[in-house]
Amino acid sequence: GQQLNQSPQSMFIQEGEDVSMNCTSSSIFNTWLWYKQEPGEGPVLLIALYKAGELTSNGRLTAQFGITRKDSFLNISASIPSDVGIYFCAGQRNTDKLIFGTGTRLQVFP
Amino acid sequence: EADIYQTPRYLVIGTGKKITLECSQTMGHDKMYWYQQDPGMELHLIHYSYGVNSTEKGDLSSESTVSRIRTEHFPLTLESARPSHTSQYLCASSKSGGPEYEQYFGPGTRLTVT
Repeated sequence: GQQLNQSPQSMFIQEGEDVSMNCTSSSIFNTWLWYKQEPGEGPVLLIALYKAGELTSNGRLTAQFGITRKDSFLNISASIPSDVGIYFCAGQRNTDKLIFGTGTRLQVFP
Repeated sequence: EADIYQTPRYLVIGTGKKITLECSQTMGHDKMYWYQQDPGMELHLIHYSYGVNSTEKGDLSSESTVSRIRTEHFPLTLESARPSHTSQYLCASSKSGGPEYEQYFGPGTRLTVT
């Protein structure tokens, strides 16, 4: 079935560093979303993107909807320890249900 | 803040047992969902409901069943649990008339079948 590939799979960074991750698909999506999941919890919606080329920020987080509509990017600036978690992208086509990516596991060291 | 609850949080049971995972939300959302997630892996939709007496199967085939008799309650049942059912089960809901992707998730139930 449909799959969204995220990279990198894991990141180990030092506090204060910037982080970049991406999500790619072989299909076009109309909406791209980024969620964060902390251990033992459900995912929490961070950013929603609605059209190609769109750039949206939420605090230190910035996400972009790729021009081809087949990819999306998430950047975290000046990382802090509470950024630790798994970041999932998710895509939606028309009225289809959400399809989640494979996740990027972020670890931040002080 | 999301008001969606799942019980139990952790469950270890033997093969062949019948179990029901509970999910309740107090936000009055019409749409509710069940996802299955192996640790650290992507979420797969197994069931969803658009309102009372409405249930549909998701993209991932599952031997579980669901019911929606009340708006706030969306339980998931396994008639005969097997080790292959070991996973995390996440419940979510989204507001009526709003974007379906604005899903609020519960904390999940981690199920282990021995």
